[in-house]
Amino acid sequence: EAQVTQNPRYLITVTGKKLTVTCSQNMNHEYMSWYRQDPGLGLRQIYYSMNVEVTDKGDVPEGYKVSRKEKRNFPLILESPSPNQTSLYFCASRDRPNTGELFFGEGSRLTVL
Amino acid sequence: AQKVTQAQTEISVVEKEDVTLDCVYETRDTTYYLFWYKQPPSGELVFLIRRNSFDEQNEISGRYSWNFQKSTSSFNFTITASQVVDSAVYFCALSDRSMNSGYSTLTFGKGTMLLVSP
Repeated sequence: EAQVTQNPRYLITVTGKKLTVTCSQNMNHEYMSWYRQDPGLGLRQIYYSMNVEVTDKGDVPEGYKVSRKEKRNFPLILESPSPNQTSLYFCASRDRPNTGELFFGEGSRLTVL
Repeated sequence: AQKVTQAQTEISVVEKEDVTLDCVYETRDTTYYLFWYKQPPSGELVFLIRRNSFDEQNEISGRYSWNFQKSTSSFNFTITASQVVDSAVYFCALSDRSMNSGYSTLTFGKGTMLLVSP
């Protein structure tokens, strides 16, 4: 089954404790992206990747890092999480980098205390 | 300036009413793509439609229809005879080239929450 898989789905952590949200897709898509969703703000792009080793900042990259060492994986790293990073995070991949629709993971709800 | 504006934050209708969700976008690209996504209460994001900038034909899929008007930079979504199961947050999105990187990126509006009551 074609899918984007994120882990963990739910996480409660404390300020400053490094965490990684993994994302993996099995559709051989070149383009992958991370979004965060907050009430009243919709979906905002954090980082995206056009291909292996090619990443770029989205609209809200502060406090996040990403890497794209393999085509299928695009982890989101929070080096020192803060309460303002409490959010619902979505990973997505795209079948055609310029024209295709996004296929989304199920979301990861992160709470930083 | 916002690239995708969904001015309606929340809409409430009674079942069987028709409802239109507005989407206005802004881009300098001549080639771009527009999308609608649905997010039901369960939280997943469901793709509904993609439209490219060269295709201004309206599209109908069952009770759903989309009206793309390049002259007004709008891509509105109409649900005919709404049902309770249509209750969800609906997002409009624009895919165009980033001014900074030159890469294509997808920008979402803030969403419209649709509540359909029985």
